[in-house]
Amino acid sequence: NAGVTQTPKFQVLKTGQSMTLQCAQDMNHEYMSWYRQDPGMGLRLIHYSVGAGITDQGEVPNGYNVSRSTTEDFPLRLLSAAPSQTSVYFCASGPPSYNEQFFGPGTRLTVL
Amino acid sequence: AQSVSQHNHHVILSEAASLELGCNYSYGGTVNLFWYVQYPGQHLQLLLKYFSGDPLVKGIKGFEAEFIKSKFSFNLRKPSVQWSDTAEYFCAAYNTGKLIFGQGTTLQVKP
Repeated sequence: NAGVTQTPKFQVLKTGQSMTLQCAQDMNHEYMSWYRQDPGMGLRLIHYSVGAGITDQGEVPNGYNVSRSTTEDFPLRLLSAAPSQTSVYFCASGPPSYNEQFFGPGTRLTVL
Repeated sequence: AQSVSQHNHHVILSEAASLELGCNYSYGGTVNLFWYVQYPGQHLQLLLKYFSGDPLVKGIKGFEAEFIKSKFSFNLRKPSVQWSDTAEYFCAAYNTGKLIFGQGTTLQVKP
């Protein structure tokens, strides 16, 4: 199993540009989520999904969209990038029975 | 709203010193609790978890944590730290699809 994979690893955007961060898992996990990590603020939940076709907002959803058309994929879309979205983004997945999440390697995003 | 707070933001210890990192959560219902570790340049790894049963939970690398329901706490402990324990430590609480993290504690162990 590849586990949780994220692409790209690094990305630089200009203010106003849009992009999609990709996340995929091959463990047939129902739960998937997106976090951003900023110094001194820990990891903050952006959006999460409890299954295909079901998504919900986390702690900091503004400026981000998600969809979950398949069990495997959970892309995160930045509609109009802002410098405040400069961060490291982690995707995670987990089975509901154990309530544990496995994390991907992260995407480091810089918005100029 | 569910939240997790970690009291210590930056801890510096010498090797062989004992470690205790505080964690409190604010959620009255059933909650699962976790400690994750992030070594420099790496992504998060699970240290230990509590779902139910014995409130003293043992994890990897000699870490343990105690769940005290009356105090809404889940403190992480290690009797003797090593230089290789230098990392950032995150407490997290899980309920109905959402895993909420604390702000993190940076641990620096001096050799």
